[in-house]
Amino acid sequence: QQQVKQSPQSLIVQKGGISIINCAYENTAFDYFPWYQQFPGKGPALLIAIRPDVSEKKEGRFTISFNKSAKQFSLHIMDSQPGDSATYFCAASMIGGFKTIFGAGTRLFVKA
Amino acid sequence: EAGVAQSPRYKIIEKRQSVAFWCNPISGHATLYWYQQILGQGPKLLIQFQNNGVVDDSQLPKDRFSAERLKGVDSTLKIQPAKLEDSAVYLCASTRGLWGGGNTIYFGEGSWLTVV
Repeated sequence: QQQVKQSPQSLIVQKGGISIINCAYENTAFDYFPWYQQFPGKGPALLIAIRPDVSEKKEGRFTISFNKSAKQFSLHIMDSQPGDSATYFCAASMIGGFKTIFGAGTRLFVKA
Repeated sequence: EAGVAQSPRYKIIEKRQSVAFWCNPISGHATLYWYQQILGQGPKLLIQFQNNGVVDDSQLPKDRFSAERLKGVDSTLKIQPAKLEDSAVYLCASTRGLWGGGNTIYFGEGSWLTVV
């Protein structure tokens, strides 16, 4: 019940294309869903986050879509650029709770 | 604002040897985490401190791993004796609030451990 399942494991997208990464959770008590971006040799860094009172959040080229009834959320990267090549982790937690549960990660490669 | 500092960045040891990693969180951050990240996997929480008290160490292999956070600031993670499967990146992280959930987690660059 504490798992966050992330897919795909890896993704190759052409420059200018749309990258889509999906996550599913089981625990309906989760109410905060961040996405972290990790470049090689660096620690993960917060990219964008959403709370379940909205179905979509957009920041620049990055959009989170949230489907509460399906217990799924996804990251869309519009106009993908080679600089977006990184590993992306979805996560889930309870506001006011202790734990953040991370997905297994998606390695994105954007071809120039 | 300075980020989360970790040292050493890289360490190679033989199995059964010991190793210690140090972390200095962002100033004023109450919550400190140690995560283990095996290549190709997501971060796995080893231990979480709230100030200098442990709030979660359920996934810490206590027969070989230990961690402390003296005076609620710096922290040290020790492995003794190391096993081959301990080869991983050890990420220290911190959050401003007392509660991890709902807060941005700030990660250090990690300490890369190779056990041979």
